Amino acid sequence: GDSVTQMEGPVTLSEEAFLTINCTYTATGYPSLFWYVQYPGEGLQLLLKATKADDKGSNKGFEATYRKETTSFHLEKGSVQVSDSAVYFCALSDPEDDKIIFGKGTRLHILP
Amino acid sequence: EPEVTQTPSHQVTQMGQEVILRCVPISNHLYFYWYRQILGQKVEFLVSFYNNEISEKSEIFDDQFSVERPDGSNFTLKIRSTKLEDSAMYFCASSEDYLGEQFFGPGTRLTVL
Repeated sequence: GDSVTQMEGPVTLSEEAFLTINCTYTATGYPSLFWYVQYPGEGLQLLLKATKADDKGSNKGFEATYRKETTSFHLEKGSVQVSDSAVYFCALSDPEDDKIIFGKGTRLHILP
Repeated sequence: EPEVTQTPSHQVTQMGQEVILRCVPISNHLYFYWYRQILGQKVEFLVSFYNNEISEKSEIFDDQFSVERPDGSNFTLKIRSTKLEDSAMYFCASSEDYLGEQFFGPGTRLTVL
């Protein structure tokens, strides 16, 4: 079945560092891809998404590009802030199905 | 800004007991979901619900689980006889449209002793 694999955490970076969180997927069809973020004490929030190959999703300085050839959707940010500390989930859904398939999540900790 | 809420935030129960996890979806949403995350594992889909019926359920959602929308605002997940392996974080979500963005609650942490 469809699945998502993302890099293990925790990831600890200093403020203003460059961030990459790797995500690869396996899908039989042509899925939509997502990054969700969970701040402490809050629910999962959609951070960005992409629905077709070479689409770039972006939000709050984060970006991810849908790479069909490498089945990847890596999350990047050029300069992280302490407020970016959270758990980040890569996810996919089949365009004909509303259930979301998540990765395990990557905890990000940014030091001031 | 409207949000999905869940109660309680943490529930501790004894094995074999029934638990009911409660969710209040966003008021104009029509599609409702439960997911769970066992510690260290992936967030897993449990069930989707629309028009007072289950639309889809996963293999995890066996006869011990049930969902209900008892009134116009609440959406509940009941586990009839909890097992140790039911210990997890349970997330409720809702969306306005089929295939629309799902909005998640903060989760209920269930601990089965």
